[in-house]
Amino acid sequence: GEDVEQSLFLSVREGDSSVINCTYTDSSSTYLYWYKQEPGAGLQLLTYIFSNMDMKQDQRLTVLLNKKDKHLSLRIADTQTGDSAIYFCAESIRGNNRLAFGKGNQVVVIP
Amino acid sequence: GAVVSQHPSWVICKSGTSVKIECRSLDFQATTMFWYRQFPKQSLMLMATSNEGSKATYEQGVEKDKFLINHASLTLSTLTVTSAHPEDSSFYICSASPGTSGRGEQFFGPGTRLTVL
Repeated sequence: GEDVEQSLFLSVREGDSSVINCTYTDSSSTYLYWYKQEPGAGLQLLTYIFSNMDMKQDQRLTVLLNKKDKHLSLRIADTQTGDSAIYFCAESIRGNNRLAFGKGNQVVVIP
Repeated sequence: GAVVSQHPSWVICKSGTSVKIECRSLDFQATTMFWYRQFPKQSLMLMATSNEGSKATYEQGVEKDKFLINHASLTLSTLTVTSAHPEDSSFYICSASPGTSGRGEQFFGPGTRLTVL
């Protein structure tokens, strides 16, 4: 089965880079996602990576995938105050349209 | 694109009443919709998966007679919390999947805050 683990809290100064980590257990995952949740709101899909990729960059976001260690990370460059939110990683599995979410990582950006 | 709305955004009701929450995909057809529940400072808990025109599939421990789900069209799913009690107070979030990209991504609504007095 799928099980996704995340660390809980990160504070970062505005302008610095922030890195959020996630581990997953199901090696049959095909896509892995990063979602952002601002207070009192739903989840916003930030980016995704296919399981046969090692890295994906999208503007300030860089996703790294280490399939051997089942480790996924999200790097946010030039972190801004609007990046303060909870970030969830999630995995989907081939043939199963469900997502398994990590516990979330709260990022607080200090001006 | 890929916008999902929920209505209402918040609702306060008395214990014993029923509350209906709507989830709409505004600019795409959703073959599958999902209903989640989120407690404060916690992750999302999947309640049920619904496909248009068929019965919802409920996760273990979720009472299907308590949480009625109807997915009558490719753009609308509803969740009805029947005979609500204070322990049903929570943040309910829906998501919709177009099912056409092959990636299985889900697009989320803004959530509905339910408070049962």
